[in-house]
Amino acid sequence: GIQVEQSPPDLILQEGANSTLRCNFSDSVNNLQWFHQNPWGQLINLFYIPSGTKQNGRLSATTVATERYSLLYISSSQTTDSGVYFCAVDLFTGGGNKLTFGTGTQLKVEL
Amino acid sequence: DTAVSQTPKYLVTQMGNDKSIKCEQNLGHDTMYWYKQDSKKFLKIMFSYNNKELIINETVPNRFSPKSPDKAHLNLHINSLELGDSAVYFCASSQPNGELFFGEGSRLTVL
Repeated sequence: GIQVEQSPPDLILQEGANSTLRCNFSDSVNNLQWFHQNPWGQLINLFYIPSGTKQNGRLSATTVATERYSLLYISSSQTTDSGVYFCAVDLFTGGGNKLTFGTGTQLKVEL
Repeated sequence: DTAVSQTPKYLVTQMGNDKSIKCEQNLGHDTMYWYKQDSKKFLKIMFSYNNKELIINETVPNRFSPKSPDKAHLNLHINSLELGDSAVYFCASSQPNGELFFGEGSRLTVL
């Protein structure tokens, strides 16, 4: 099956710092999403981004499908950005959508 | 307005018991899912239903039986609970392009 690798596994930032999270995947995909799991366990859909670039406030994401990676940028980080960031991809071979998740990047933003 | 809602949020039970988790979505999506998140936060798909029909079953033990009475509801019943079933179970639904939206999760603890 498809492999999804995220880096770094852990990250500690001072509030106000910027960071880049990376997701590499092993095959061509037709769906890529970024999720944030907050400290209360909620999984929040950040971006649906199988290709191209999107921005939402302080967050932006870029997927280069031909090179099989995606990047999530967090600017001016805040303590509320803490949690785990997951990348998930789907091959969609016609058997239904089946997202494969990476192991996540654990982010802690400190004052 | 909760888009994907699941109940209960927490279950604590003894080995050998049976339990159910209910899920409802008001997004008008045709496809619904159950995902399992283990103690290391790894997320894996269990089942997917499209318009009440099972389309993905990821070799989950048959003690787990999903049921979809209509396309807005997907319930999960678990028989003869085992210690290894302790996890957080997430319901989700998706748009036709596969973009996934999660419920808040149901934390199951088997003692």
